[in-house]
Amino acid sequence: KAGVTQTPRYLIKTRGQQVTLSCSPISGHRSVSWYQQTPGQGLQFLFEYFSETQRNKGNFPGRFSGRQFSNSRSEMNVSTLELGDSALYLCASSNRGRGASEQFFGPGTRLTVL
Amino acid sequence: GQNIDQPTEMTATEGAIVQINCTYQTSGFNGLFWYQQHAGEAPTFLSYNVLDGLEEKGRFSSFLSRSKGYSYLLLKELQMKDSASYLCAVRDQAGANNLFFGTGTRLTVIP
Repeated sequence: KAGVTQTPRYLIKTRGQQVTLSCSPISGHRSVSWYQQTPGQGLQFLFEYFSETQRNKGNFPGRFSGRQFSNSRSEMNVSTLELGDSALYLCASSNRGRGASEQFFGPGTRLTVL
Repeated sequence: GQNIDQPTEMTATEGAIVQINCTYQTSGFNGLFWYQQHAGEAPTFLSYNVLDGLEEKGRFSSFLSRSKGYSYLLLKELQMKDSASYLCAVRDQAGANNLFFGTGTRLTVIP
């Protein structure tokens, strides 16, 4: 069974640009969560999607948005990039809509903003 | 807000036992997770506790006390490959899957 895949793996952008990251969950998983990981803050929750609906959102500005498609693949978009957006962006999938006992992480997308 | 604390760094000797503590203060509680993350890699799932007590899985065990807001991860028979960051995470509500993470404990195993 294939794991969670994320594309691209690495990305370099400049301030003011926008970026779209993609996440394909494990087959059959309908819950996808996105996290930002930085050395100082650790992993911080961005948002969660289940069956194409955003169920929860973390404390990030509106420049961060996402969506989920009918095949459970998810995208997140960051507009008007800032230097502080440089981070590893991870997505995680689970096979339950709530109370999942395990979440599987993808390898992440390393975003560098210059 | 949610607050999850764990030591920043720990060092232990190959073959020994190490305990990594995690304390949490969250608005709700619906499960505590431990993940292992090697440098440059994705976190991998180690354990899940939702009820008080000890969960054992091979060389790894995890303990939870909900009344104390406390958990620990116990690693036995340490191996060099266990050098990694260990992340404690809490789910604060039953209706979702989002987790709140501590900043992680970087464990270094020395010969």
